[in-house]
Amino acid sequence: DAGVTQSPTHLIKTRGQQVTLRCSPKSGHDTVSWYQQALGQGPQFIFQYYEEEERQRGNFPDRFSGHQFPNYSSELNVNALLLGDSALYLCASSFTADTQYFGPGTRLTVL
Amino acid sequence: GEDVEQSLFLSVREGDSSVINCTYTDSSSTYLYWYKQEPGAGLQLLTYIFSNMDMKQDQRLTVLLNKKDKHLSLRIADTQTGDSAIYFCAESTGNTGKLIFGQGTTLQVKP
Repeated sequence: DAGVTQSPTHLIKTRGQQVTLRCSPKSGHDTVSWYQQALGQGPQFIFQYYEEEERQRGNFPDRFSGHQFPNYSSELNVNALLLGDSALYLCASSFTADTQYFGPGTRLTVL
Repeated sequence: GEDVEQSLFLSVREGDSSVINCTYTDSSSTYLYWYKQEPGAGLQLLTYIFSNMDMKQDQRLTVLLNKKDKHLSLRIADTQTGDSAIYFCAESTGNTGKLIFGQGTTLQVKP
């Protein structure tokens, strides 16, 4: 049984560009949450998707948006990238609001 | 408010017990979690405890919860060099299970 998968593993972008990160949840899970982890910090909640809708959002600007597909996979989009968006982006899946299991993350570097 | 605090660093000798502490503020938290993160990797779920429990034991891991003081601890018995990592405490809040993380405790295990 594959766990949570994320792609790509690493990404380098320049300021002002846009990026899309992808996540496939663990089998049987229907909910995807996204977190941003800056270097040396704990993960910060960005938003959560359930039934293809954004169910809850953390304190992140509208430049951060997402989508959930009918197969429960999800995308995180970030527009107008800033240097401060450089971080590890973690996807977690769960069955509704149950225990969250994390993927390996996508390391985004903004130059 | 929502806040989780942990001490930043712990150093122990191989074979000793490690105790990592965490305090949280949201008294409505339903579950409290411990995750482990190795360098460059995602978060691995170690264990969790429901908020109406005082203690949970899982092989070498023991979780203690003092709900009155909002204090959570993780004890690792017979600590091994492979236990060297960053350990995150997290509380689950609201009906979406959104996780609020501490800043992580780096555990260094000396041979």
